[in-house]
Amino acid sequence: DGGITQSPKYLFRKEGQNVTLSCEQNLNHDAMYWYRQDPGQGLRLIYYSQIVNDFQKGDIAEGYSVSREKKESFPLTVTSAQKNPTAFYLCASSSAEGLAVYEQYFGPGTRLTVT
Amino acid sequence: LAKTTQPISMDSYEGQEVNITCSHNNIATNDYITWYQQFPSQGPRFIIQGYKTKVTNEVASLFIPADRKSSTLSLPRVSLSDTAVYYCLVGSPTGGFKTIFGAGTRLFVKA
Repeated sequence: DGGITQSPKYLFRKEGQNVTLSCEQNLNHDAMYWYRQDPGQGLRLIYYSQIVNDFQKGDIAEGYSVSREKKESFPLTVTSAQKNPTAFYLCASSSAEGLAVYEQYFGPGTRLTVT
Repeated sequence: LAKTTQPISMDSYEGQEVNITCSHNNIATNDYITWYQQFPSQGPRFIIQGYKTKVTNEVASLFIPADRKSSTLSLPRVSLSDTAVYYCLVGSPTGGFKTIFGAGTRLFVKA
């Protein structure tokens, strides 16, 4: 069964701690994305990666870091520098070819709560 | 990237046809229009994509007028399970990877 997995589904952390969110895909997609969603809001792009070993900042990259060492994996680290980290985090992937960028497959999300 | 504008929310009743319009006045020649659906606490799901005129699949229809400055997602005979947020995106095959999801339209289907 092809798809995207994110773990854990719920994550609780104390303020000042870094936390890493996992995202794995077995769709053989080159491109992967991280979005943040706040209650009642749309999705905001944090980082994206077009290919292994390459990634670019999205609209709200401050306080976050990523790596793309394997095609299947795109972990997101929420650092202590992120002022308001509590949110719903969504990972997605797509083919990197043309219009397929707009046909993204999303994982189930991780709800992060920092207190 | 072209900016899109959608109604914040819509209400409907089961069995009705629902039309959600997205305005994209600055759409570029190479841009396509894509719609997603998102249920609470889940990731969005691709619904339909088109360039002009009409596109139909098993879930919805997408109507795009000749000037392409707007588009309408049509959901036939909605059910309670169609209650979700619907997002309209605009972008071109060569526009890069910075996809923009706006606030979307919250559709609430009542019994």
